[in-house]
Formats: sequence, structure tokens, C-alpha cells
Amino acid sequence: AQTVTQSQPEMSVQEAETVTLSCTYDTSENNYYLFWYKQPPSRQMILVIRQEAYKQQNATENRFSVNFQKAAKSFSLKISDSQLGDTAMYFCAFAGNQFYFGTGTSLTVIP
Amino acid sequence: GAGVSQSPSNKVTEKGKDVELRCDPISGHTALYWYRQSLGQGLEFLIYFQGNSAPDKSGLPSDRFSAERTGGSVSTLTIQRTQQEDSAVYLCASSFPLGGSNEQFFGPGTRLTVL
Repeated sequence: AQTVTQSQPEMSVQEAETVTLSCTYDTSENNYYLFWYKQPPSRQMILVIRQEAYKQQNATENRFSVNFQKAAKSFSLKISDSQLGDTAMYFCAFAGNQFYFGTGTSLTVIP
Repeated sequence: GAGVSQSPSNKVTEKGKDVELRCDPISGHTALYWYRQSLGQGLEFLIYFQGNSAPDKSGLPSDRFSAERTGGSVSTLTIQRTQQEDSAVYLCASSFPLGGSNEQFFGPGTRLTVL
């Protein structure tokens, strides 16, 4: 069975600091995609970043970057220069033959 | 519209009543998903459509839940004889066919409250 695990239910970070959210997954597939979604209090889910499993280079989108370790099946999200607007639930997701979401990490950015 | 829309945005109903939740996916998206999210919790997968077919209904919590999709577009999630534990936000998402880099685009959700 394929699973996505986010082991940090809640995290906090000081504004302007860096925070890393962890995600691990289990799969027997070789070709797949990984995503991080953000859900702010408005509850609208927004895609933050995606990673193709066949690419060794880690994806980066402005202040957001990932550390993708395929052998370890790890896909962590790093947020640099945290801003108050980054306060949200963050969901890691796996897309292969099916789509799976993790249970989420609630991130609070402290002013 | 440009995004996924859901209606109603909020629904309050009495225990035992039936409710219908609607999802309008992005035009051209053949895959459609329904999720349930309880307060402060993660996403619980309910059902997935590819076109009008539902190859995966494994997440429907009971036979009180059903969903259909017509014309490869609009989908309706129906909950019969609602119970208080059905209270949650119901999210709909759409994408191009499952597989590949096809991210899911989410609607704003319907908040269901069963009194």
C-alpha cells in the first residue's frame, strides 16, 4: 500500500527564519510526482511546489525548495525567510497510479 | 469560470435529511476527486472519477454516500439521512487524467453542518 507520512502535526517559526517540513512516502512505483500544497485559513488549497521523481535536481519556487531523497523516500519542504502569510496547513502529496495526501502540518509564523 | 467551483459554500441541515453538494470542475479536466476534511484534520479521500466513471469508490464511508458525474463535467455528492458525524468541509478537485505531473486544482469547499 502506498502511504504518505507527515510526522509533524504542528510547527512554528519566527518571521524571517527558515523552517523545514518533513514528508516520507512509501511506494513500489518508479515514476511518480510529489507535491506540497498549502491550505491557509481561507481553506483554499494551493499548489506550492512539485517534484518529478525522475529528476535528481531539487525543485525550487522562490522561497520554497524541496529536499528530495528518492532512495530514502523523503520529500521535505524548506521555507526560507518565513512570512506571516505562510501560516497555513501544508500537505504533502504523492501522485502515481493514485493520488495520496499526507495528514498535514500546521505551520504558524510568529511575528 | 477559471477555477473549480463548489456550491453551496455552506450548508446547515438537520439530522436525517438528505443533502446534495455540487462541484463544477475546470473545463477540460477529465479527473475529479471528492475529499472530506474534518476541522483541523487532513484530507479523507472519498471518490475519484475519470470521465463519468468512478474507478475508485473505496473512500465512501457508508452506503449513505453516493456520487455521480454527468457529461464528464459536473459532479454531485449526495449524503442521505445525514448524521452529525458527517459535519465537515467537503472539497472537490479536478485535474487532467491521473498520472504524470497533473496537479489537482481544488475548489473552495462546502462546509456541511448537521444539527
